[in-house]
Amino acid sequence: GENVEQHPSTLSVQEGDSAVIKCTYSDSASNYFPWYKQELGKGPQLIIDIRSNVGEKKDQRIAVTLNKTAKHFSLHITETQPEDSAVYFCAASTSGGSQGNLIFGKGTKLSVKP
Amino acid sequence: GAGVSQSPSNKVTEKGKDVELRCDPISGHTALYWYRQSLGQGLEFLIYFQGNSAPDKSGLPSDRFSAERTGGSVSTLTIQRTQQEDSAVYLCASSLRFGGRTTDTQYFGPGTRLTVL
Repeated sequence: GENVEQHPSTLSVQEGDSAVIKCTYSDSASNYFPWYKQELGKGPQLIIDIRSNVGEKKDQRIAVTLNKTAKHFSLHITETQPEDSAVYFCAASTSGGSQGNLIFGKGTKLSVKP
Repeated sequence: GAGVSQSPSNKVTEKGKDVELRCDPISGHTALYWYRQSLGQGLEFLIYFQGNSAPDKSGLPSDRFSAERTGGSVSTLTIQRTQQEDSAVYLCASSLRFGGRTTDTQYFGPGTRLTVL
């Protein structure tokens, strides 16, 4: 089955710097890659997602890149702010049939220092 | 509009007791998912429903875990004879549908924090 590895497990940056979180997946059939942000005591919230037919997607300060050949995808946050501090999870999914559930990485705790 | 809701938000129980966790999905969402998040860990997929049907129960950790969904809406996750290792946050998510040609976004509830003493 699918396996998702996420690095780093913790990341500390200064306000205004960029943050990059990387994930690799094992199942070449995976075609949907969402990123979730989880704040303390809350459920994960979708912040951006990418499907396998594109290589990059951007939404304001957040961007995701996908390399299907290498089976890895990354989250880029620019001009970080203290409110970006949270745990970020990547996930992979194979749409269709019985494989629409998400397989998550173990998360990255991002701390943005003012 | 209203998001996914879960109750209770916190549950403390004694080892050996049974517990029921409830999930109310977003109205109109036919697919519903249960995940478990242990301390400092990622999200572990447990089971999904398409309508009232749960075709694949292989993600449930043991036969003490069961789940049902009635009327294509509310779902309950039941844990019988709870053990200390069951302590975790149980998250529910819903999406418009399951499978199909594209994967629909899953929207998560706030979770139920279960503590087994």
